[in-house]
Amino acid sequence: QVQLVQSGAEVKKPGSSVKVSCKASGGTFSTYTITWVRQAPGQGLEWMGRIIPLLGIIDYAQNFQDRVTITADKFTSTAYMELSSLRSGDTAVYFCARDPHGNYATLMDSWGQGTLVTVSS
Amino acid sequence: DIQMTQSPSTLSASVGDRVTITCRASQGINIYLAWYQQKPGKAPKLLIYGASTLQRGVPPRFSGSVSGTEFTLTISSLQPDDFATYYCQQYNSGATFGQGTKLEIK
Repeated sequence: QVQLVQSGAEVKKPGSSVKVSCKASGGTFSTYTITWVRQAPGQGLEWMGRIIPLLGIIDYAQNFQDRVTITADKFTSTAYMELSSLRSGDTAVYFCARDPHGNYATLMDSWGQGTLVTVSS
Repeated sequence: DIQMTQSPSTLSASVGDRVTITCRASQGINIYLAWYQQKPGKAPKLLIYGASTLQRGVPPRFSGSVSGTEFTLTISSLQPDDFATYYCQQYNSGATFGQGTKLEIK
């Protein structure tokens, strides 16, 4: 059973960037879709983008197209999400998740524990 | 972008009730629709994918159906553990979540 472990909470200034990591263990990494989702306090889920490490496919949500960069290191089984030009509205819990079947669908079955990013001056 | 309109936003029900949550897609998404359950402070849990396929380990009181671009999650007999927030998600093109339905105890 795969386990996803994310990096710890961050406090950032407006205008700065944050990079959150997501390390997979106990399962195959490259052939599965890794998705990033965020959830602002008291709000719903928002898809940010996904990566399929084996194929080098990366897709971003239109809302984040110009501010987010998703990467993956196949050798360390770690995915990364970097969000730039941070503003207060980016304060949220950021989740990574892996699809359950390895068929490249943007489904989320195994989840990281979430990383709280707080943007405050 | 594909929009997902989920209703109701809040649902009050009792243990043993049958409840239905609906999600409508702004355009055709085939059957690329999933349902998730989320409890406070926890990551979401995948319940159903492919509109009607139960994820492994999910109780059979959960079911999903589709008619055109309207998708339905049904819980046949509510259990105490089912009170949570539910989200639909399309994965036909990128991904989009519905706004969520909070299922409360009446």
